[in-house]
Amino acid sequence: NAGVTQTPKFRVLKTGQSMTLLCAQDMNHEYMYWYRQDPGMGLRLIHYSVGEGTTAKGEVPDGYNVSRLKKQNFLLGLESAAPSQTSVYFCASRTSGTNYEQYFGPGTRLTVT
Amino acid sequence: QQQVKQSPQSLIVQKGGISIINCAYENTAFDYFPWYQQFPGKGPALLIAIRPDVSEKKEGRFTISFNKSAKQFSLHIMDSQPGDSATYFCAATTLYNFNKFYFGSGTKLNVKP
Repeated sequence: NAGVTQTPKFRVLKTGQSMTLLCAQDMNHEYMYWYRQDPGMGLRLIHYSVGEGTTAKGEVPDGYNVSRLKKQNFLLGLESAAPSQTSVYFCASRTSGTNYEQYFGPGTRLTVT
Repeated sequence: QQQVKQSPQSLIVQKGGISIINCAYENTAFDYFPWYQQFPGKGPALLIAIRPDVSEKKEGRFTISFNKSAKQFSLHIMDSQPGDSATYFCAATTLYNFNKFYFGSGTKLNVKP
């Protein structure tokens, strides 16, 4: 039982390049989330999904797209990376029902130059 | 505008002392308040959470105090240990839209041996 895993762990992009971050969970959770963590800002919600095939915008969705084609995977895409997207990205998942605990992955550190 | 304000940014406590981290919010619709603990290079992990129908919740050395009228809540770590050194985040959400968690900016705790 690996929990929540994220790929890759580190990445350096040039401005304008694109990439996809992969989040996978093996806990059969319905809900999945993408956050970014910046110094002094805490975690901010980018997009989330309440089930396979569904996605919704969070607090800071601009410049990102997501897809949830399979229940266990949640992909975060950057179509044209900008230096402002330099951050640490965390994926999280949780079950449905009254357990609101989110389980976080180890993070992806992205630098855009 | 940050929905949850957290202080202090950093905290140094001697081993055995009490660590206190404070959070304040404005949105009276918030009704679930978790605290997360994050070690370097790891994702956040749920530590303890409270709902506003109680003024205090205790789990081992960790206690949340909640003041609904003041719209404030705090984390107390009793008998602080070097192993407690981590970054702590408070958060808030509404149970009718519990997919949008709003996080504080984080407090970096250093417990000196």
